[in-house]
Parts: sequence; structure tokens; C-alpha cells
Amino acid sequence: DSGVTQTPKHLITATGQRVTLRCSPRSGDLSVYWYQQSLDQGLQFLIQYYNGEERAKGNILERFSAQQFPDLHSELNLSSLELGDSALYFCASKDGNTDTQYFGPGTRLTVL
Amino acid sequence: DAKTTQPTSMDCAEGRAANLPCNHSTISGNEYVYWYRQIHSQGPQYIIHGLKNNETNEMASLIITEDRKSSTLILPHATLRDTAVYYCIVRVAPFGNEKLTFGTGTRLTIIP
Repeated sequence: DSGVTQTPKHLITATGQRVTLRCSPRSGDLSVYWYQQSLDQGLQFLIQYYNGEERAKGNILERFSAQQFPDLHSELNLSSLELGDSALYFCASKDGNTDTQYFGPGTRLTVL
Repeated sequence: DAKTTQPTSMDCAEGRAANLPCNHSTISGNEYVYWYRQIHSQGPQYIIHGLKNNETNEMASLIITEDRKSSTLILPHATLRDTAVYYCIVRVAPFGNEKLTFGTGTRLTIIP
């Protein structure tokens, strides 16, 4: 158990819909990262937040957005969903002392 | 971040040492070598990291060549639970480019 929690574990929805994925980092970690893992793209970095502020962006679509709240939990919002958005979405938080990222168990999104 | 090259797959007998190689010939002086593994579709799990000295923890040992162009992750007594995809990642840390760039990794299968 990494200490990072993600909800829900599974999500099934239809094309065109909007969903929100939630992540709670390890106690004391200020940085949260979101990654997407699809069959054809592998694990890809989406976006990073540090203490409530966006720090870095990767290959994140404009239909996707994220935020980090004052209690440091983060949400990834995916809208106008397409079949190709079906993937595993992982959140990671970083230990500020060792610079090591610890991953949550992921959310499996299926878009039908 | 420097690019890494790993074998696509490897087998290892249960109870034996599993040696997973990684080439990172373009590594820079301030780049660290990180190893993560992903068991089935679970979140990636941090294993170990190092800069130039060999490192050991409760999970594994990391051997980095003197020229730092390659490294080997050693699981000393492999068990069936070590079957996973192992990722070798090179990145600047701390306070550098903070995302993790995952390649295709090595699929390690532990054989009973």
C-alpha cells in the first residue's frame, strides 16, 4: 500500500459524458501527478500540481482538466468523453525529501 | 531526460536471482536511474534509485557501471509475486524535470 488513494476504482460511462476522478496523496506530500495508461500509448504523464498550483503539463487534452484543493487532494475532470479515453488513470504523490513518486491503485475508465 | 533501452521480456526461475539490464548511454552527470515495476494493472511501485554508487534496499540491488551508461536491477531471490513489468527511468532529481517518462519496460516472468 503506497498511501495514495484513488476513487472510484472502476468507472463505466458513455461517450460525450463527463467524469471526475479523485486522488488523495500520502500524508505530507504536496505534489500530485496524473498519468494515463492506455494499451497503445503506455504510461503517459498528464499534469502535475504542487500545493494547489499547476506546476507542469504533459500530453493532456483540452477536454481534460485538473485541480488540487487546499486539503491537497486532487481531481481530474474528463469531459466530452470519447472511446479512446478508455484507460487506466493513475495518480502519484511525491515524497519531498526523497523526490520519489508513489502511485495510487488507479481508476479504470471505460467509455462505451 | 535520457532514453533507456531494456529487453522486452525475460524469464527467471523462482528462487534464483533476477538480473534486469538497462542501457542509458546518453545519461547526463546529474541524472539518476530509477526503477519501478507494475504488477498486472496495479499502480507502478517504486523499487530503488541511484546516481553512481551501487544501492541496496529491502526489495532489490541496483548496480550502476562506472561510466554510468548502463545499470542492472537485481532481485536476489525471485518469487512468483515478482512477475511484473519493470521500468528503468532516467531523470534529473531533485528539483529537475519532475515527471516520470515510462518506456516499454521489461516483462519479467518468474517460472515455478
